[in-house]
Amino acid sequence: GQQVMQIPQYQHVQEGEDFTTYCNSSTTLSNIQWYKQRPGGHPVFLIQLVKSGEVKKQKRLTFQFGEAKKNSSLHITATQTTDVGTYFCAGHLRNRDDKIIFGKGTRLHILP
Amino acid sequence: SAVISQKPSRDICQRGTSLTIQCQVDSQVTMMFWYRQQPGQSLTLIATANQGSEATYESGFVIDKFPISRPNLTFSTLTVSNMSPEDSSIYLCSVGLRRDEKLFFGSGTQLSVL
Repeated sequence: GQQVMQIPQYQHVQEGEDFTTYCNSSTTLSNIQWYKQRPGGHPVFLIQLVKSGEVKKQKRLTFQFGEAKKNSSLHITATQTTDVGTYFCAGHLRNRDDKIIFGKGTRLHILP
Repeated sequence: SAVISQKPSRDICQRGTSLTIQCQVDSQVTMMFWYRQQPGQSLTLIATANQGSEATYESGFVIDKFPISRPNLTFSTLTVSNMSPEDSSIYLCSVGLRRDEKLFFGSGTQLSVL
């Protein structure tokens, strides 16, 4: 079935370093969403990308949607301890009755 | 936005029993979903809760095991039936105000089956 693959599974970075997580879909997506889940918490929506090649920024976070609408990335510049958590991409599949498929997530750990 | 109240927040249950999880939203929503999340893992969609009709289940999930109700646009329940230790997980209610838009999540129900 359709899958949304996300890498890496884990990432340890020194505070101040950059971080990137990548998401790939086996099929074209209507849109892609990104969520953050803090340890012990529930997923919280960050952003949605809809257009081919779209780039959006939220302060230190940069989100990109690929030209073919099959891949996406989230880049964090100069990580801070508050960035700790798991970042999930979630692909909204075309013609699949509004189903949203989550990637496995990238768990970010910040080393002080 | 949507505020979701999910109950219970956690429970410890005996093998063979059933648990019903409630999800109450503070406004009418178009989409309601139930997800399962193993510790440290991703979210797996169990089913879409359809208002006034049977839920739409994903592969690997069946109505007899996970009956779902959605009597109106603000409320849904998920029952985990005839539980076994393999059902131990976090169950999350999720809603979307409109199609193609972001999801809001409840705080989850942490279920442990002994």
